[in-house]
Amino acid sequence: AQKITQTQPGMFVQEKEAVTLDCTYDTSDPSYGLFWYKQPSSGEMIFLIYQGSYDQQNATEGRYSLNFQKARKSANLVISASQLGDSAMYFCAMRARGYSTLTFGKGTMLLVSP
Amino acid sequence: ETGVTQSPTHLIKTRGQQVTLRCSSQSGHNTVSWYQQALGQGPQFIFQYYREEENGRGNFPPRFSGLQFPNYSSELNVNALELDDSALYLCASSLAVGGNTEAFFGQGTRLTVV
Repeated sequence: AQKITQTQPGMFVQEKEAVTLDCTYDTSDPSYGLFWYKQPSSGEMIFLIYQGSYDQQNATEGRYSLNFQKARKSANLVISASQLGDSAMYFCAMRARGYSTLTFGKGTMLLVSP
Repeated sequence: ETGVTQSPTHLIKTRGQQVTLRCSSQSGHNTVSWYQQALGQGPQFIFQYYREEENGRGNFPPRFSGLQFPNYSSELNVNALELDDSALYLCASSLAVGGNTEAFFGQGTRLTVV
């Protein structure tokens, strides 16, 4: 069974500052993928970044980077230079290799203030 | 935009009724997954279809059923609606089962059962 834990119900950050959203996971599968999605109030889940369990380097996508610490089973999302439009729910998710289903955490609400 | 379209966007039904939700997957994607997202929670996997066959199912009762059509669009049917079925229903399409491809989500259907 797979489990995702996001311990921060809400986070506040000022515009242009960096913020880290925490995610820990648990799985017995040797090969898996970790995802971060952004969900604005409109409801759509927007893919942000992906990290494979065997990837040697941490994933980066523009202002998003994933701090992957495999031994600690953590996959924290770092958003640099926060923007007002970053205010949304953020979900960490994982998928075992060979499957398409995603297991999600409960999410973290990020609010960016001017 | 992801190319995944869901209809309708909002729906109100009475307890005991039946509902059909629709999803048009992204062009070229042959796998569709459905998720239920209750208020304040992360999405929960309902089931997945791959090339018109159910390919996996989460912990949902049989009154949740689905179909996938030759053009890979999909329907989610829920019979005998209960108040707890009120949620955002998300459809995600992906290219093939497993692998390291991200799932692209539609904007969701908000179902309210009264």
